[in-house]
Amino acid sequence: DVVMTQSPLSLPVTLGQPASISCWSSQSLVHSDGSTYLNWFHQRPGQSPRRLIFKVSNRDSGVPDRFSGSGSGTDFTLKISRVEAEDVGIYYCMQGTHRPRTFGQGTKVEIK
Amino acid sequence: VQLVESGGGLVQPGGSLRLSCAASEFTFSSFWMNWVRQGPGKELVWVAFINTDGTTTTYADSVRGRFTITRDNARKTLYLQMNSLRAEDTAVYYCSRDGDGHFDHWGQGTPVTVSS
Repeated sequence: DVVMTQSPLSLPVTLGQPASISCWSSQSLVHSDGSTYLNWFHQRPGQSPRRLIFKVSNRDSGVPDRFSGSGSGTDFTLKISRVEAEDVGIYYCMQGTHRPRTFGQGTKVEIK
Repeated sequence: VQLVESGGGLVQPGGSLRLSCAASEFTFSSFWMNWVRQGPGKELVWVAFINTDGTTTTYADSVRGRFTITRDNARKTLYLQMNSLRAEDTAVYYCSRDGDGHFDHWGQGTPVTVSS
């Protein structure tokens, strides 16, 4: 199985400041169809996950533009340009290129 | 898009449970569907996948042979039949749709506890 590794696992942030989460895969996530199936999800405490970003850098409908995704191959990044209080929770990267689909272990974002 | 899971609860080891996921506000029959679970304080784990007409299913190694994913497009409902349950199957189970890639919408989850 493809192992997804996130860093850091815990990220204390200051409101209004930027934040960045890294995600590495144990194999290239470039699919034979040319797409890279790397997604980012946000899970608030007690809630179900919500997809933020699909195929590396595409924001889902309703996702604020302070969220951005980038990367290629095996290295990916989620950035929040200015953290707001509602951004707390756990962020997961997930690959859908290889079967089975696998998630990272999660990065907990909290306000300092 | 609405996905509402039900059927979770407390079950003894070796027992069975059937989860349901009622879909609405979208054309259910046009989308692939999945079950994903999350153990207590743990990360998300994909469990099972089914294509639009139910002819193709895939499973995580940990549940293959014990769990069965099915769907009823007329009833707009996804199912997960879970047999021979083990303590390590304890988790919140989410149904999730594959749209614009993978897992674009999720239900609220239904908790399953396997314990004697």
